[in-house]
Amino acid sequence: KAGVTQTPRYLIKTRGQQVTLSCSPISGHRSVSWYQQTPGQGLQFLFEYFSETQRNKGNFPGRFSGRQFSNSRSEMNVSTLELGDSALYLCASSQGLAGAGLHTQYFGPGTRLTVL
Amino acid sequence: QQQVKQSPQSLIVQKGGISIINCAYENTAFDYFPWYQQFPGKGPALLIAIRPDVSEKKEGRFTISFNKSAKQFSLHIMDSQPGDSATYFCAASFGNQGAQKLVFGQGTRLTINP
Repeated sequence: KAGVTQTPRYLIKTRGQQVTLSCSPISGHRSVSWYQQTPGQGLQFLFEYFSETQRNKGNFPGRFSGRQFSNSRSEMNVSTLELGDSALYLCASSQGLAGAGLHTQYFGPGTRLTVL
Repeated sequence: QQQVKQSPQSLIVQKGGISIINCAYENTAFDYFPWYQQFPGKGPALLIAIRPDVSEKKEGRFTISFNKSAKQFSLHIMDSQPGDSATYFCAASFGNQGAQKLVFGQGTRLTINP
């Protein structure tokens, strides 16, 4: 079974631009979560989607948004990019809502975003 | 209160030795404590997880010890091997109508010297 796929793997943008990242979950998985990983802040939860609905959200500004499609694929959008948005953005999928370990989350390799 | 504090930041262990990574938390609502292993260029992968109703869980060379009263948990890697060299993250979460929000520790970069 193919793993979680994230595209693109690397991205360079300039301040003020917007960016869209894509995540294809493992076949049959209906939940997709997004995380931001930086050397300073570590891994931080952004949001979780299940059945095209956002079910949980982390403490990030409204510039960070996401959506999920009927085939469970998910996109994450960051508008008005700032230098501090440079990070590895990770997507994780699970069969159902991950709910305290009910379903294991499987992570993709991430998208490395650099904001200049 | 949502934080998970992990130590040490980096750890060097000789091959065959025991690697120990510690984590502490404050939020008593946490009820799921996984450990993730991350290799360079890869996303984190679930290694082992525990719930607060048990004090220890062992899977192969990996053991989680959990102390509910102290609000601490640790990962022990027995007979550490060079292939174990990676960054390890502890995490914690609690269910909220099925949704999960993992809170991660800062990570420990483990190096196993041959």
